Amino acid sequence: EVQMVESGGGLVQPGGSLRLSCAASGFALNDYWMHWVRQAPGKGLVWVSRLDSDGRSTNYADSVKGRFTISRDNAKNTLYLQMNSLRVEDTAVYYCVRGLWGIESWGQGTLVTVSS
Amino acid sequence: IQMTQSPSSLSASVGDRVTITCRASRGINNNLGWYQQKPGKAPKRLIYTASSLQSGVPSRFSGSGSGTEFTLTISSLQPEDFATYYCLQHHNYPWTFGQGTKVEIK
Repeated sequence: EVQMVESGGGLVQPGGSLRLSCAASGFALNDYWMHWVRQAPGKGLVWVSRLDSDGRSTNYADSVKGRFTISRDNAKNTLYLQMNSLRVEDTAVYYCVRGLWGIESWGQGTLVTVSS
Repeated sequence: IQMTQSPSSLSASVGDRVTITCRASRGINNNLGWYQQKPGKAPKRLIYTASSLQSGVPSRFSGSGSGTEFTLTISSLQPEDFATYYCLQHHNYPWTFGQGTKVEIK
């Protein structure tokens, strides 16, 4: 069974850092393109970042470019999102998702709250 | 690419036919999916490549369109279909979602 379990969310002050993890099971991360998608409380879905199956090519939303970094550890079959210089507007549930042609599968999400 | 989804909300009764539209700011071929999200849950895909039904999704859901105009249709609304629906274009990065359509009970 394909499963993705996010962790690492929590409360952080503006300007702080956080690293989200997504532990995958039932498939190998290096066989798929992986992404992060976020959803602010009561708002819509926003695509954040993508890592291709080779682990070399990345894309980022303009709103996070230069602050967030997507990566993975093949041995641990885990995807990461390193988030630096966090802003109040980064507050959201962050979903780890899989897909090349759109999004096939979603994790359950982890909540990040940026507040003083 | 901007995705304009309409309406933002609608009220309907069980058994009604419901149509939701997404318009892309430029052509995206058929690189579009439709997603359903219920409160407190992750979204799930209903339709991929604009008109292909995801495995396990009831046949009352259908998608159509290509280029810039896309439609999600629910032929006979069921109680479990009350949710928020999103389109997603994956033609170019950054991928972009429509603003969502909340389907409520009349």
